Amino acid sequence: DAGITQSPRHKVTETGTPVTLRCHQTENHRYMYWYRQDPGHGLRLIHYSYGVKDTDKGEVSDGYSVSRSKTEDFLLTLESATSSQTSVYFCAINPGQGSDTQYFGPGTRLTVL
Amino acid sequence: QQQVKQSPQSLIVQKGGISIINCAYENTAFDYFPWYQQFPGKGPALLIAIRPDVSEKKEGRFTISFNKSAKQFSLHIMDSQPGDSATYFCAATLGSGGYNKLIFGAGTRLAVHP
Repeated sequence: DAGITQSPRHKVTETGTPVTLRCHQTENHRYMYWYRQDPGHGLRLIHYSYGVKDTDKGEVSDGYSVSRSKTEDFLLTLESATSSQTSVYFCAINPGQGSDTQYFGPGTRLTVL
Repeated sequence: QQQVKQSPQSLIVQKGGISIINCAYENTAFDYFPWYQQFPGKGPALLIAIRPDVSEKKEGRFTISFNKSAKQFSLHIMDSQPGDSATYFCAATLGSGGYNKLIFGAGTRLAVHP
């Protein structure tokens, strides 16, 4: 999984509670991404980061925020979780140096009741 | 215009057969087309990728065929094996390097029966 760890791997929470998912990488990669995976939709980009404190919105960013205070950590926060945010969340990195390839972490399965 | 349409949703193939998954796109600005393989409980893993200036790329039993004029590309798995049973995603990228954004197809669940 390209030196990427995600935590937690599974989480069940209730509607209205805040949730933070963590992506940690050990290779000092500059570019990091958060995706969600839902049946019938493939993976969709939520937010991405070009470096520390440099982030931008993706296709499905509503209801999500991100932070990147250290190169190795990219945090995804659901400020007030809703049932529509029940999904599998994947973090990805791009190793840079002109590469177009993204490598994915193992995922976090989030259930919002 | 940013969609990538993938078919079929599911596919059953006998061991030793050829698996074919098709994708179509509209945005001619896409410039890199990877295929990902995903096993249950795992993240997607890059399988093979192609750029639009190439019509075919082969790696082992996996081949991408690319038709730029038709805006279509496909994955062929030759001599399909039960271990190939997984979900396959085509994708296309906008932008280059780390600034690129991956647009995924909806996925194809492949089952290879022994």
